[in-house]
Amino acid sequence: AQTVTQSQPEMSVQEAETVTLSCTYDTSESNYYLFWYKQPPSRQMILVIRQEAYKQQNATENRFSVNFQKAAKSFSLKISDSQLGDTAMYFCAFMSFQGAQKLVFGQGTRLTINP
Amino acid sequence: KAGVTQTPRYLIKTRGQQVTLSCSPISGHRSVSWYQQTPGQGLQFLFEYFSETQRNKGNFPGRFSGRQFSNSRSEMNVSTLELGDSALYLCASRAAGGSYNEQFFGPGTRLTVL
Repeated sequence: AQTVTQSQPEMSVQEAETVTLSCTYDTSESNYYLFWYKQPPSRQMILVIRQEAYKQQNATENRFSVNFQKAAKSFSLKISDSQLGDTAMYFCAFMSFQGAQKLVFGQGTRLTINP
Repeated sequence: KAGVTQTPRYLIKTRGQQVTLSCSPISGHRSVSWYQQTPGQGLQFLFEYFSETQRNKGNFPGRFSGRQFSNSRSEMNVSTLELGDSALYLCASRAAGGSYNEQFFGPGTRLTVL
């Protein structure tokens, strides 16, 4: 079974700073997807970024980028020029490439951006 | 396009009762998945429905069940409620076909069991 671990329960940074959230996972599969989801206080889960394991290039979406280290089974999220609206719970998630399209989530990191 | 909608948004029940939650997917989406979110266990997959058939099921007792209708709307039922069933229940819909389709989440139903 796959597991996802987020070792930072809470983080806090000043607005405009760069912050990196950590995530490690365990799987015996070679092809899979990794995700970062954001859950603001409104509780609506929003996809931030997706990475396919077969792609060596790290995914980037505007201010959000990932550092995907497949051999180390590490998948960190970097938020550049952080904004107050980035305050939320962030979840790292895994999904198999084939078979059940279910997301396996980490425990989450509560990120607070201070003015 | 309207997003995923869930009703009701909040629900209070007592132990032993049963409850039914509803999820309407994005128009055209044929798959609906349900997740339970609690402070202790985090986010856990309950089940996925596609074309009115349950495709996958998480590790939950038989008290948790669901179904999907021909219009892709899905309902989740929990019988004989326990205090530990208090949670945010999220549903997510996705289009069918292909190896990957993004799952779009609804706002959730907050269930409190007293």
